[in-house]
Amino acid sequence: KAGVTQTPRYLIKTRGQQVTLSCSPISGHRSVSWYQQTPGQGLQFLFEYFSETQRNKGNFPGRFSGRQFSNSRSEMNVSTLELGDSALYLCASSLQGDNTEAFFGQGTRLTVV
Amino acid sequence: GQQVMQIPQYQHVQEGEDFTTYCNSSTTLSNIQWYKQRPGGHPVFLIQLVKSGEVKKQKRLTFQFGEAKKNSSLHITATQTTDVGTYFCAEGGSGNTGKLIFGQGTTLQVKP
Repeated sequence: KAGVTQTPRYLIKTRGQQVTLSCSPISGHRSVSWYQQTPGQGLQFLFEYFSETQRNKGNFPGRFSGRQFSNSRSEMNVSTLELGDSALYLCASSLQGDNTEAFFGQGTRLTVV
Repeated sequence: GQQVMQIPQYQHVQEGEDFTTYCNSSTTLSNIQWYKQRPGGHPVFLIQLVKSGEVKKQKRLTFQFGEAKKNSSLHITATQTTDVGTYFCAEGGSGNTGKLIFGQGTTLQVKP
């Protein structure tokens, strides 16, 4: 069974640009969550999607957005990039998103210069 | 808002010594999950605790959930170099949600 796949693995962007990250969950998993990981702030929840609907949202500005497609694949978008957006962005999928085990992807390392 | 405090931030041990990381919350936790992240890797699920006072073991790892469901601990007996990494506790929400609130993590270094 394939794991959670995130693309791309690495990205370098310039301040002010926008970026889209992709996440393919484990087959059959309907819940996809996104997290930002930085050395200073640790792992912070961005948002969760379930059946194409955003079910939960963390405390991030509106520049951070996401969506989920009918096949459960998810994308997150960051507009008007800032230096502080440099981080490892992790996607996690779970079967029903009902407090059970979350499976994380390898992450996308975003560097904003 | 929700907050889960985890201590210590770092721990250096000699191989063979024991290791413990603690997770505390000011509010009652619905459930607690533990994850391990190896250097350069991604978090990997270890276990979930749901019941008050629950204790679960996985080989040399012992996980506990406090009676008041406000704290949890992970204890590793006789550490090995393969235990190196960052251990995170995470609160899972109640009801249908995949949202996890992570503690700051404890980074374990093991000297051979």
